[in-house]
Amino acid sequence: QVQLVQSGTEVKKPGASVKVSCKSSGDTFTNSYVHWVRQAPGQGLEWMGLIDPTDDSRTYAQRLQGRVTMSSDTSTTTVYMELSSLRSEDTAMYYCARERRIYYYGNTGAFYYSGMDVWGQGTTVTVSS
Amino acid sequence: SYELTQPPSVSVSPGQTARITCSGDALPRHNAHWYQQKPDQAPVLIIYKDTERPSGIPERFSGSSSGTTVTLTINGVQAEDEADYYCQSIHSSGISRVFGSGTKVSVL
Repeated sequence: QVQLVQSGTEVKKPGASVKVSCKSSGDTFTNSYVHWVRQAPGQGLEWMGLIDPTDDSRTYAQRLQGRVTMSSDTSTTTVYMELSSLRSEDTAMYYCARERRIYYYGNTGAFYYSGMDVWGQGTTVTVSS
Repeated sequence: SYELTQPPSVSVSPGQTARITCSGDALPRHNAHWYQQKPDQAPVLIIYKDTERPSGIPERFSGSSSGTTVTLTINGVQAEDEADYYCQSIHSSGISRVFGSGTKVSVL
């Protein structure tokens, strides 16, 4: 059974950076994206970006461009999300989630997305002076 | 910016049917997925590719799609279904993802 295990709670001061890890057990990320999603207290889900760990391609949410960096280490099946220039509005629960590309035939051609079918347990990031 | 529109709340009596809509201009081109989130828990995928149900998800959860609107239906609502529900799809740009604002289902 695939599991995503995230690093622990972080408390940071405004202007600092935070780096959260997401380690997979049971999945090598083949034909998968890893998404980062955050949720401020009492608010909805906000998509932050995705990374394809096998080719390191990334797409970030426009509003976070320039502040967010996602990276991966396939040797340890771990993905990282770093957010810089932290402000109080970045206080949130941060989740990683896997999404697979499922091919209709073999490993190429037409495919569909599985949805975010495995989630990490979440990492609380608090930004406070 | 591209948005998926959901009603903020839906109230339903036990045993009745709850329907949650999600509207977006790009939904005819991109599949939608639905997530259930209970307090202090990570979201759980309950419907993918508009209508498909992952293994382990009860049959009372179903999805449908028509034009620019997708719908999550919960038949025979149970008390344990009280939760927040989010739709999610692909941005009109074709790469980024977007979540709906979420719908709180209350079981009366």
